[in-house]
Amino acid sequence: EDQVTQSPEALRLQEGESSSLNCSYTVSGLRGLFWYRQDPGKGPEFLFTLYSAGEEKEKERLKATLTKKESFLHITAPKPEDSATYLCAVQASGSRLTFGEGTQLTVNP
Amino acid sequence: SAVISQKPSRDICQRGTSLTIQCQVDSQVTMMFWYRQQPGQSLTLIATANQGSEATYESGFVIDKFPISRPNLTFSTLTVSNMSPEDSSIYLCSVDGGGAGETQYFGPGTRLLVL
Repeated sequence: EDQVTQSPEALRLQEGESSSLNCSYTVSGLRGLFWYRQDPGKGPEFLFTLYSAGEEKEKERLKATLTKKESFLHITAPKPEDSATYLCAVQASGSRLTFGEGTQLTVNP
Repeated sequence: SAVISQKPSRDICQRGTSLTIQCQVDSQVTMMFWYRQQPGQSLTLIATANQGSEATYESGFVIDKFPISRPNLTFSTLTVSNMSPEDSSIYLCSVDGGGAGETQYFGPGTRLLVL
């Protein structure tokens, strides 16, 4: 059974304080690992797809990396508008996604 | 990326009634998915809906409780039947192109409260 574990559950940062979110996964035959951002009351917003170990992708203050067992979402010099829940999901067989529980990020000004 | 809309955006329903949620996409897509997000929790896949075939349900979800229609490549409905307070959740539809590793894009969700 595919499993995804995200840590920490919640993270509070000061504006400009860089940090990383972790996504550990167990899956047979990874087809893709996805990062989403979800604001309260809204659907998940796509951020990144990673396909193989060693791959990295960047978007503004966010950088996602992938190893054979985990993925990290690095946030550099975050701003209050980066506050959201960040979700990690894996795709193995078929198209179904298995989601982690998410990390709730709060960035204080 | 596809633009996805859902109706209604939110609703308050009485137990024992049913609600049908609509999902409309601005382009033709192969795969459509329905997820449930219970309060404070992450997303759980309910079923996968392909046009022209019966929906495929995940363990713990049954067609009698969550009937799904997929009449064409841009539209799907999910009905939550005989509702109870435990069905209070956000219901989300998503789409992708059907290929391995393709990104799924999500709609805004339908927030359901059952009294």
